[in-house]
Amino acid sequence: NAGVTQTPKFQVLKTGQSMTLQCAQDMNHNSMYWYRQDPGMGLRLIYYSASEGTTDKGEVPNGYNVSRLNKREFSLRLESAAPSQTSVYFCASSAKTGSEAFFGQGTRLTVV
Amino acid sequence: GNSVTQMEGPVTLSEEAFLTINCTYTATGYPSLFWYVQYPGEGLQLLLKATKADDKGSNKGFEATYRKETTSFHLEKGSVQVSDSAVYFCALPYISSGSARQLTFGSGTQLTVLP
Repeated sequence: NAGVTQTPKFQVLKTGQSMTLQCAQDMNHNSMYWYRQDPGMGLRLIYYSASEGTTDKGEVPNGYNVSRLNKREFSLRLESAAPSQTSVYFCASSAKTGSEAFFGQGTRLTVV
Repeated sequence: GNSVTQMEGPVTLSEEAFLTINCTYTATGYPSLFWYVQYPGEGLQLLLKATKADDKGSNKGFEATYRKETTSFHLEKGSVQVSDSAVYFCALPYISSGSARQLTFGSGTQLTVLP
């Protein structure tokens, strides 16, 4: 039972480098999300996709872009990484927006 | 808009102690309420949920009752184990734009259970 799979699990970037975080779900869910988790800040929504073909900004979208490649996959791109983007990133999916969400294992990103 | 306020941590208990983690909410109507748990190095997992007022959600010995009179959804367990050490998050849906609803999470409560 894979559920939500994120890659990579760990990444170190230099300031200004770009990278894409990959996420795939095998539960036929319509909605997918990207969150970041920082100490003392809880979980903050970066972007979400209510359904295939749509994406919308969340609470903290600046510095990020997303692509809903198909129903299974939702990627997060950092075009020019900054130290403030050092965080743990979680992808999640749900059958519909607002219903219970299933999370991936997370990507620990460090920007130096 | 909808929001949750969660008990500040960290919480440290001895094994077999009683656990309460407080969560209060502000919401329009009666949305579903959730408790998630995050074990070290892992993502969040749904622990339990309640879909309407007065419902009780339960799982793995944890319980929470959806109380509309006090707008609360406190998490309880009668006898905690070392393996319950984790971060616990209260959550509920809110409308972010148009009709799209998202989950908003509390700040999380770190629980440590000592043997």
